Amino acid sequence: SQTIHQWPATLVQPVGSPLSLECTVEGTSNPNLYWYRQAAGRGLQLLFYSVGIGQISSEVPQNLSASRPQDRQFILSSKKLLLSDSGFYLCAWNRFRGLFTEAFFGQGTRLTVV
Amino acid sequence: DQQVKQNSPSLSVQEGRISILNCDYTNSMFDYFLWYKKYPAEGPTFLISISSIKDKNEDGRFTVFLNKSAKHLSLHIVPSQPGDSAVYFCAAAIHAGGTSYGKLTFGQGTILTVHP
Repeated sequence: SQTIHQWPATLVQPVGSPLSLECTVEGTSNPNLYWYRQAAGRGLQLLFYSVGIGQISSEVPQNLSASRPQDRQFILSSKKLLLSDSGFYLCAWNRFRGLFTEAFFGQGTRLTVV
Repeated sequence: DQQVKQNSPSLSVQEGRISILNCDYTNSMFDYFLWYKKYPAEGPTFLISISSIKDKNEDGRFTVFLNKSAKHLSLHIVPSQPGDSAVYFCAAAIHAGGTSYGKLTFGQGTILTVHP
């Protein structure tokens, strides 16, 4: 069966510090991978998606970047965190069922920038 | 521009009664809709979905209704149980073919509280 691992679960970082969140998927190959963020009191917003190694698409302009160095690894990074980067970050992969898609999420990382 | 909206931030119901969660969308290109359930500090888990070729899909206690003309969908939970207390997100997608790449657009979520 497919599983998705995301770490760390919680993170407190000072403003201006770098960030690296990692996500790995097991039990599937060449998955589409996604990074979502849930800001306080808001819904889930798609930040990045990747359809293959080295292929990254950004959905919203921001202080973050993403990379996909391996087929089943997706990394979210920042060189200098801002207070507004605080939120709950979720990695997801998609299972395509015919024409349609179903997203499976990791456990999430609660990032607090202080 | 919020393409998927859940206008009720919270809903409180009694155990055993029906819970109805609503969702509206504006993009007529959406042709697939999903509901997710989320507990605090956890990732969302998939509940139920519906394609635009249907107007109803049922799975146990959960039923999703789609009204395409009104661009509205709803999730019915019958009977509601205390364990159903969570945040519920509706999401919309354009079919997996073409350039949609399986991206989901989420609503803001509705906090459901089921009282014993």
